[in-house]
Order: sequence, then structure tokens, then C-alpha cells
Amino acid sequence: SYELTQPPSVSVSPGQTARITCSGDALPKQYAYWYQQKPGQAPVLVIYKDSERPSGIPERFSGSSSGTTVTLTISGVQAEDEADYYCQSADSSGTSWVFGGGTKLTVL
Amino acid sequence: QVQLVQSGAEVKKPGASVKVSCKASGYTFTSYYMHWVRQAPGQGLEWMGIINPSGGSTSYAQKFQGRVTMTRDTSTSTVYMELSSLRSEDTAVYYCARDLVPAAKGQDYWGQGTLVTVSS
Repeated sequence: SYELTQPPSVSVSPGQTARITCSGDALPKQYAYWYQQKPGQAPVLVIYKDSERPSGIPERFSGSSSGTTVTLTISGVQAEDEADYYCQSADSSGTSWVFGGGTKLTVL
Repeated sequence: QVQLVQSGAEVKKPGASVKVSCKASGYTFTSYYMHWVRQAPGQGLEWMGIINPSGGSTSYAQKFQGRVTMTRDTSTSTVYMELSSLRSEDTAVYYCARDLVPAAKGQDYWGQGTLVTVSS
């Protein structure tokens, strides 16, 4: 079955830039989405269509795509950004979706 | 305002079935697909399947094929997810999340989650 691969953890100091990658064979053909999840809460969409930001999401969140890897970038990280981040996409057929394993962002 | 309100927590015995509901309001129910996603304690998000409330068509993750059924009731703007032959590994929080699939907008609204505990 199709898989998306993320690093388990990323650590940055406040004000620095955090980059979280997600790799998958179908990413050149399928859009990627990014979700932020804080403990005890439902996930929140922070990026859709690889690089679009929903209304209400701070400008410091951005997304990019290159080949089989997509990247979530958080510029000027704040303490409130500490959370788990998940990428999501569809397989090459577009009928089955999958999440990456998640990346825990720690703000030092 | 858009709301997805899920049914309450459930405790089930191994081998039983559970049916979780997700009632939508604040938007045109048949215009958005609905995903079901689960999260076991301390684990990541796991996609289970998707239903198109307009026609009722579904697509399930291979892992759940034969054990999951997603349905909808357009008269009450409610989608349902039924999981059968429950085992302890199915203990998780189950979420519904809407998606304007053709527009690739992602899952922009999520239900509050329903905890399903499977225990003898």
C-alpha cells in the first residue's frame, strides 16, 4: 500500500525556521495537504494543494513541492506552533488517501 | 457556521460492531465529501475511507475493506461509519472531516472525535 514518509521529530528555537518534509512516489501527481494537531484536539488544516494557505492560518506557514517530496515550512517559529504535523495525499489512482506518520515539532 | 457533531463515546466487546454518526450543519451537505480518520492512543492519524453524500459512493482503505461500511442520510445531513468484528487494536478516536474533493481544498472542518474503546 502507498506510504508517505516524514521525520519523527524536528526541533527549533523560537524565531527560527522549521522545515518538515514528506516523501511519496505519487506526490508529483497528487496534491499534498498538511495538518497541525495539538494534544487532545482535532487536526487543523494548515496547507492545501501543496502550497495554499486556508484563511485564518498565519503567513509564517508555507508549503512547497519538488518531485517526490513536499515540505512544510514554518518561518519565525513561535511556542504555540509546537504540535504534531501530518502530511496527507492520495495514491496515484486518487481513490485512496494516506497520512504520513507525523512529525513532532518541538520549540526549544 | 459549519459544524460536524459526532455521537458519543462507545465501549464495545471484541467481535462486536460500532456505528458512529457525524451530523453536519451550516453548509450544503451533498456538496462535500466526508472522510473518516482514526487515531489510536499515542499514535498517528489513519485514513479509513471516504463517502460522497450526494450519491453515496464510497472508497475504503484496503486495511478496512470488508469490515467498514460508510453510509449517509441526506434527510438528516448525517453520515455514519460502522466498523465490525472489533478487536482491541480498534480502540481509537474516530473523526469525520469534510472535503470539497474536486477542488482539492483539503479537510477544512473536523468533528470533535468519538472515542471507541474495545475491551472485554
